[in-house]
Amino acid sequence: AQTVTQSQPEMSVQEAETVTLSCTYDTSESDYYLFWYKQPPSRQMILVIRQEAYKQQNATENRFSVNFQKAAKSFSLKISDSQLGDAAMYFCAYRSSDFNKFYFGSGTKLNVKP
Amino acid sequence: SQTIHQWPATLVQPVGSPLSLECTVEGTSNPNLYWYRQAAGRGLQLLFYSVGIGQISSEVPQNLSASRPQDRQFILSSKKLLLSDSGFYLCAWSGGQGGNQPQHFGDGTRLSIL
Repeated sequence: AQTVTQSQPEMSVQEAETVTLSCTYDTSESDYYLFWYKQPPSRQMILVIRQEAYKQQNATENRFSVNFQKAAKSFSLKISDSQLGDAAMYFCAYRSSDFNKFYFGSGTKLNVKP
Repeated sequence: SQTIHQWPATLVQPVGSPLSLECTVEGTSNPNLYWYRQAAGRGLQLLFYSVGIGQISSEVPQNLSASRPQDRQFILSSKKLLLSDSGFYLCAWSGGQGGNQPQHFGDGTRLSIL
């Protein structure tokens, strides 16, 4: 089974600065999809960004971008110009090629300091 | 547009009592449906997923069960709750076609067992 690892249980960043959250995964598949979700204190899961494994170009959504290294099986999330509203748990997720199952990392708690 | 409804938002139950959590999806047909449990400050544990009516895959052996009586309805049940069943339960759906389709989550149910 695929596994997703987030090695940073908690991180802090100063407002307006940049932070990178790490995610690695283990798979034998060549075709798959990767996602980052944000879970604020309200506990609602919000999609932040997605990446198709067959695309070499890194996905970008406004202040959020990823560094996808397929050979290294790494999928990190960069948040630029951090805002207080970015404070949340962030989960990395992998969608298997059979489309049915998602695998989540254990999460990284991001604190944003004013 | 698609929406997902999950209820109740909060539930307090005594040990040994039955459980029924309901999730419905609107605005799409034949979705994949999922039940997750999330312990406080932890990641998501996949409990069940379903790719169609009456088709349930169980990921973790436990005293919980799931049913899908209708295309867009997913129910999580237990005949006798245990203290260890306490947690935050999330229902989610995703499109069955196209691997880059993310999961969309309900607002969750906070279950406390006394």
